[in-house]
Parts: sequence; C-alpha cells; structure tokens
Amino acid sequence: GAGVSQTPSNKVTEKGKYVELRCDPISGHTALYWYRQSLGQGPEFLIYFQGTGAADDSGLPNDRFFAVRPEGSVSTLKIQRTERGDSAVYLCASSLTGTVSYEQYFGPGTRLTVT
Amino acid sequence: QQQVKQSPQSLIVQKGGIPIINCAYENTAFDYFPWYQQFPGKGPALLIAIRPDVSEKKEGRFTISFNKSAKQFSLHIMDSQPGDSATYFCAATIGGATNKLIFGTGTLLAVQP
Repeated sequence: GAGVSQTPSNKVTEKGKYVELRCDPISGHTALYWYRQSLGQGPEFLIYFQGTGAADDSGLPNDRFFAVRPEGSVSTLKIQRTERGDSAVYLCASSLTGTVSYEQYFGPGTRLTVT
Repeated sequence: QQQVKQSPQSLIVQKGGIPIINCAYENTAFDYFPWYQQFPGKGPALLIAIRPDVSEKKEGRFTISFNKSAKQFSLHIMDSQPGDSATYFCAATIGGATNKLIFGTGTLLAVQP
C-alpha cells in the first residue's frame, strides 16, 4: 500500500515568511509524528499526535511552530516568521498506534530552505 | 540524559567486511532500541530493533548486540555489500504515552566493491 507522503518535497522561502508543510500518513495509522533533521544530524522529535490531539508537543522549538491534525489523518506543520535556522528536512512518521510495539514509518521529508 | 551517543561518524569497509556501529545511552528508562537506515533523499527506514531483556537479535545479515549493564548497543552488518552504503541511526525510546524516538547523530557507511 501507499506509504507516508509529504508535500512539498522542497520549499524555498524568504526569512520572515509563513510556510505550511503537509503530511499524509498511512491509512489507518492513528499515531503521527513530526521530526526535524538538520544536515549531518539525526532526526529530532517535534510533536506527536494520537488521533486529532497533540499528545506531546515538547519538541517544538518555540511558538513560531504549530501543527494540526483536524480529522485525525492529514497533518500540517506551520512555521511563522521563518528564520534561516529553520532550514532543515522536516520528516513525518506514522504508526498504527503510539506504542513501542509498532514501527514508525517515515515519509521522504520536506526540505525547507530559508533564504 | 535524553541523549544517545553514536560512533563512528563515518566508516569505510570493503565488500564482505563487517562494519560495527556503536551507541551509548544514559537514561535507564529507555526500553526499545531501533536502528534505522537512511538513503539520500529518503526518510529513515526501520532495520532492526531490540528490547533490553535480550542481549542479541539477528535478522538476516544485521545483528544488534545489547549490553544493559554498560548501557551500550551496537549494530553489526555481516557480509556487507555496496548496497548497504547508507547512513545508519540508532535510536531509543521510552514505551508509554508517546513513543517519541531519540536518535543518535548517525554513521555514514561506505562499502567499497
């Protein structure tokens, strides 16, 4: 079946602009995660959704970052007033439920470049 | 305490060699340790995972060795192939409410033909 998809694959924006990154999880997966991967680093956790609610947003770096999942499927990561330091690959992952027994399947990521 | 330290940063082996990648952690609450493989332009993909009640797990050419007392675990790739050339990440998580993964910094593996 289809895996996790993310759009756009690449996004270039100017400093100070607003961006939205979209994630389509695997159908039926109730858990959805956002991670950020800077060049040469491992992914860093941003936020976790179980269904429609953000169960853990402890990884969001500041209040410029926000994410929603209104119908418990597609999720959008929103970044306001982008800064050059926000440049990274933003990865989305989904799993059947949010427990350790279930593998997290990652999408290909959105490469965000802030100029 | 939430960190997972990974080494080496990069590794070059000849085809058929056995690359070994090491990770160490501090938080004894971690109870699930997966390894992910990432190719350029792709998201990480789960390779193999282990829980702390097991000292070794083998799946195909990939083996995890786990030393609970030393808080260390490692990935061994038997009979490595050029197609194994990728970045490998160890990770850890605490089972429970979120299952968020804490990743190591990655090891870039090159297997030369």
